[in-house]
Amino acid sequence: RKEVEQDPGPFNVPEGATVAFNCTYSNSASQSFFWYRQDCRKEPKLLMSVYSSGNEDGRFTAQLNRASQYISLLIRDSKLSDSATYLCVVNGGRGSSGSARQLTFGSGTQLTVLP
Amino acid sequence: DADVTQTPRNRITKTGKRIMLECSQTKGHDRMYWYRQDPGLGLQLIYYSFDVKDINKGEISDGYSVSRQAQAKFSLSLESAIPNQTALYFCATSDQSGSQQFFGPGTRLTVL
Repeated sequence: RKEVEQDPGPFNVPEGATVAFNCTYSNSASQSFFWYRQDCRKEPKLLMSVYSSGNEDGRFTAQLNRASQYISLLIRDSKLSDSATYLCVVNGGRGSSGSARQLTFGSGTQLTVLP
Repeated sequence: DADVTQTPRNRITKTGKRIMLECSQTKGHDRMYWYRQDPGLGLQLIYYSFDVKDINKGEISDGYSVSRQAQAKFSLSLESAIPNQTALYFCATSDQSGSQQFFGPGTRLTVL
């Protein structure tokens, strides 16, 4: 089982639509959660962190459910410029030596917003 | 100027050749990482370094080696390239919290 699993899509939605992506993670000790965005043939960039209480940044809302080990990203009023691959990213807490574990990236969900 | 740079941006080579990919950063971060990305597999960690004297293997280090020449420089070598090392390679940096990573623009490597 992959440590971080995402529906690969693709999701093709019209402009103005609301779209939701889901992600599950297997390491219950994970402590930090993020959504990154990656445009075609470009590097990943941080979109937003995900906090336990849920958080919003403009049209984007992220939710975390630790009990179910589930993360979501909601995009409202989709724009053409939202077309990209969205990567769910999890920091696996701390190892036995106390050092921070590395980030684990999901394989991404591809979104295309259509005019 | 970009905070994290990678050279070359594109490289085509032949099986058995030695290849070095270079990464430089101006963010002053201690931590640097090398990933490869293949379609449908996401980013896989090859090696990471917490400082100049601390280098660690990632999940797919076989066939690769690294050198941390300075805080700002981290290079990845393929001693004898093989076709299944054809991929997009990213360098990244982070501060000591390791939370947010900043990526270079990537190197597209093709091994024939």
